Parts: sequence; structure tokens; C-alpha cells
Amino acid sequence: DGGITQSPKYLFRKEGQNVTLSCEQNLNHDAMYWYRQDPGQGLRLIYYSQIVNDFQKGDIAEGYSVSREKKESFPLTVTSAQKNPTAFYLCAIAPNFGTDYGYTFGSGTRLTVV
Amino acid sequence: GQSLEQPSEVTAVEGAIVQINCTYQTSGFYGLSWYQQHDGGAPTFLSYNALDGLEETGRFSSFLSRSDSYGYLLLQELQMKDSASYFCAVKANFNKFYFGSGTKLNVKP
Repeated sequence: DGGITQSPKYLFRKEGQNVTLSCEQNLNHDAMYWYRQDPGQGLRLIYYSQIVNDFQKGDIAEGYSVSREKKESFPLTVTSAQKNPTAFYLCAIAPNFGTDYGYTFGSGTRLTVV
Repeated sequence: GQSLEQPSEVTAVEGAIVQINCTYQTSGFYGLSWYQQHDGGAPTFLSYNALDGLEETGRFSSFLSRSDSYGYLLLQELQMKDSASYFCAVKANFNKFYFGSGTKLNVKP
């Protein structure tokens, strides 16, 4: 994963349950992002963080929460308020703000409601 | 808001050349990226264009026209392993990328 690790690979959630997806990086990148991908569709931005202790909502933040207490870690919690959470969740990192490179993605977490 | 349009599916034969187009409407445009995603996998970065013109990286090239809000990815000497989905993505403010819905490329023998 080139210095970015997502876990678990598969996750099953029961109705009304909160679950947390892990994203860890060791590339010392400032920026971290969470995207959601539904089958046959593109990626939609959930939350992003440019620096420690700061994060911003993306286009589909409702029903999700994040924290950025350490530079290396950006966990995503899918709360019971998210009514349709089954999807492929991707964490991405990018070099310091202002650098013209793309993202490096983690291998993703497949979340299924059971 | 942001919107990106790309064809949903393209089919080509091994050894051929294929072009995947992307048109976009966005505020705060900084550049256009392309990503490749194999079934079940994560997207991998292919290219980034901040300025008009053609960027070449091996068999893949990417083009941008800012005045036309248009770009394309050109894949040459197609191989079976190139069968994947390809996403264009616009870089907007705060180092955020907005993705198109993806083009599924089928390479046939």
C-alpha cells in the first residue's frame, strides 16, 4: 500500500451499530481523505483533513464522523445515522498542501450491513 | 459544484490505441488527474496535468485543455492487463479531488 494501511479489509455492521474504519500512514503526509465508492460509480468525498486536529466535511458527511489526533491516523466512524452504509471505503493521502501530485490510496474496506 | 463527464464503457482490441475523454465543470480548478482501478482494487495514480498540453508516461499519455474544460487519457499498445476502470479527477481548492463516474475499458484479444 505504499505506506498507507486500511483495516479491516471486510467489515459487517448490524443495524443500529457504529463501526470504525482505520487508516494509518507512515509517509508523513499532511493531507488525508476518506472517499466512498458504490458499485459502478465514482468516488465521493466524505471528510478530509489537512493538518492534525482539523478536518472538514466533504460532499456526503452526514452519518459519518472522523478524528485527526495524530498525523499518522485518520479513523472514520460510520454511525447508525448513515442509512445506507454498504459501500467500498477508501482512504487516501497526499503530499503537503500545494504540491501537484495525485493521491495514494489504501487498499480499502468493504462494509456490508447485515 | 463540480461535474465530470466521461464515457461509461469502451472496448478495444489488444495492441490498439484508445482515448478516454473527460469534460468537466468546476470552480477552483487546479488540474486534472487520471486513476486506474482494477476490479476489487484501489485506484492508482496515473497522471496529473496542471497546464495545457500533452504529458507522456510510457504507453499512457494525458492531455488537458483548460479553455475547453476538457482532457483525455490515451492508452497505446493496449495489453490485456489494461482492462480496468479509468477515472478522471479534478483538483479543486484545499487539495481536494472530485472524481468522474469512471470508464470501464475492456481489452479483447
